[in-house]
Amino acid sequence: AAGVIQSPRHLIKEKRETATLKCYPIPRHDTVYWYQQGPGQDPQFLISFYEKMQSDKGSIPDRFSAQQFSDYHSELNMSSLELGDSALYFCAATRLGSGELFFGEGSRLTVL
Amino acid sequence: GDSVTQMEGPVTLSEEAFLTINCTYTATGYPSLFWYVQYPGEGLQLLLKATKADDKGSNKGFEATYRKETTSFHLEKGSVQVSDSAVYFCARRGTGGFKTIFGAGTRLFVKA
Repeated sequence: AAGVIQSPRHLIKEKRETATLKCYPIPRHDTVYWYQQGPGQDPQFLISFYEKMQSDKGSIPDRFSAQQFSDYHSELNMSSLELGDSALYFCAATRLGSGELFFGEGSRLTVL
Repeated sequence: GDSVTQMEGPVTLSEEAFLTINCTYTATGYPSLFWYVQYPGEGLQLLLKATKADDKGSNKGFEATYRKETTSFHLEKGSVQVSDSAVYFCARRGTGGFKTIFGAGTRLFVKA
């Protein structure tokens, strides 16, 4: 069965550069979440979208932005990267009301 | 605000030992509760869930019961295997339903 697809799986950037992460949810899963997981940390909620509109916002820095497109895929744009942005970024998808999240395998960002 | 508290790890057990990982949640409403598992190098995946008081979620020999009176959702397994070594996250639906809130994770090591 198709799962949540994230790309790229690994990304290396320099400080002050920009990065874009992409997430392709399971078909008919209309709600997308982004989480950031630092080394040895629990996943921290960044932002979510339902039907292409932002539905909730967590600890997402102002340097980051995200959107969901008409085909329900989502992109997380990160600018002015800092060393502390190095983390695993997960996208998760669900159908509204379901509660169960389906996670992608994550995109590992390393900022040098 | 909404939160989840779980026991600190790491937890180290011998194969076939009994496992308990404690989890408590803030009692804002009656949220759905989840246990997710993260194997090394992989994304989170749902292990089990319970949607209302006294529900018991179970999967792969793991069980957890939704206890409203103690606001707990402790994870148990009667006989762990080496392959159960992973990080386990307790989670709850956030108030409003658009995000899932995770505990800090408990790393489990099972020795042969």
